[in-house]
Amino acid sequence: QVQLQQSGAELMKPGASVKISCKATGYTFSSYWIEWVKQRPGHGLEWIGEILPGSGSTNYNEKFKGKATFTADTSSNTAYMQLSSLTSEDSAVYYCVEGNWFAYWGQGTLVTVSA
Amino acid sequence: DVVMTQTPLSLPVSLGDQASISCRSSQSLVHSNGNTYLHWYLQKPGQSPKLLIYKVSNRFSGVPDRFSGSGSGTDFTLKISRVEAEDLGVYFCSQSTHVFTFGSGTKLEIK
Repeated sequence: QVQLQQSGAELMKPGASVKISCKATGYTFSSYWIEWVKQRPGHGLEWIGEILPGSGSTNYNEKFKGKATFTADTSSNTAYMQLSSLTSEDSAVYYCVEGNWFAYWGQGTLVTVSA
Repeated sequence: DVVMTQTPLSLPVSLGDQASISCRSSQSLVHSNGNTYLHWYLQKPGQSPKLLIYKVSNRFSGVPDRFSGSGSGTDFTLKISRVEAEDLGVYFCSQSTHVFTFGSGTKLEIK
């Protein structure tokens, strides 16, 4: 069965960068898009963008261009999202998601940005 | 971006009642290929969202048949025929016809 295992919670300083990982099992990792979603209380769910691991093709929500960068390592079936120049607005839970219609979700990674 | 508006924001129900949640989009969700990419999710406290319904009315694997989806164009509805305790949480609609967007959520809670 499809499973997505994300890295643990991060506490970061403003201005720093953070890299979140998402290890996929149970399907052919290289062939399917991995989506990234942000969730903040009071702001709902936002689609950040997606990566196709086999080719490295990416699509970004305009709002997150320059903020998020996606990479993927097909040898370890792991996708990554780096968030740069962190501010308090980046404090959120971040999910990796796979499957048509966002069928399979990771458990989420809490990123807290605080001085 | 396509704005997804859910109503109500909060829905108090008694166990065994029927519940209905509305989702309206700011643009038609009919894709050029004829499909309508409107989906529903349930997020329980402390958990990730889980897919319930895809493409308006198709139940995802393992979803009980008390959940049903309907609608077309810009107006969609999720119905739960007999609410059980395990159904409580926040329901989101989303669309993938255009750049992915989500509704703000409807909290289903005990009356």
